[in-house]
Amino acid sequence: AQKVTQAQTEISVVEKEDVTLDCVYETRDTTYYLFWYKQPPSGELVFLIRRNSFDEQNEISGRYSWNFQKSTSSFNFTITASQVVDSAVYFCALSFASGGSYIPTFGRGTSLIVHP
Amino acid sequence: NAGVTQTPKFQVLKTGQSMTLQCAQDMNHNSMYWYRQDPGMGLRLIYYSASEGTTDKGEVPNGYNVSRLNKREFSLRLESAAPSQTSVYFCASSESFFRAGMDTEAFFGQGTRLTVV
Repeated sequence: AQKVTQAQTEISVVEKEDVTLDCVYETRDTTYYLFWYKQPPSGELVFLIRRNSFDEQNEISGRYSWNFQKSTSSFNFTITASQVVDSAVYFCALSFASGGSYIPTFGRGTSLIVHP
Repeated sequence: NAGVTQTPKFQVLKTGQSMTLQCAQDMNHNSMYWYRQDPGMGLRLIYYSASEGTTDKGEVPNGYNVSRLNKREFSLRLESAAPSQTSVYFCASSESFFRAGMDTEAFFGQGTRLTVV
């Protein structure tokens, strides 16, 4: 069974603090993809990053960085020097192969509140 | 470039009424999906279509039917709406047909906020 766990339901920080959002996944597949999406208060889902199971390189994009560790089945997301505009719900997702397609399955999300 | 377009954006139904949520994508993607989002539950897969002509059940299919009308369009039908189907519904598409090197992230529509009273 495929499963994504985001244990942090809500995180509250003050602007300029660093914050890490945790994501732990379960899958028996050897080929899979991991994603992070952002859902701001306006409600749309914004794709942030994709990582395949064969690429454990960490990635940095501006203030965002992602740490993928297969040994611990984790794909954590860090925001450095958080800003109010980072306030959103963040979803981690796992795509596994089924029936000729990759099926995205989502965690329950972490609500990040950044206070000025 | 419209991406994924869902209609309507808002809908209020009475218990027992039926309706169809429409979804169209212009990215020539093979796969399309319907999710529902409820507070604290994340996004749960209702149905998906790996390619034109195929549909499969997801995690929460009861009370719903789908039609993959063509490669662009994937509709979700509620035959007899129930208050438990009050939710935000998202349609998504992706190019994910076992093609090495293809982007596999899902692109989402703006969502349909459905209330069943």
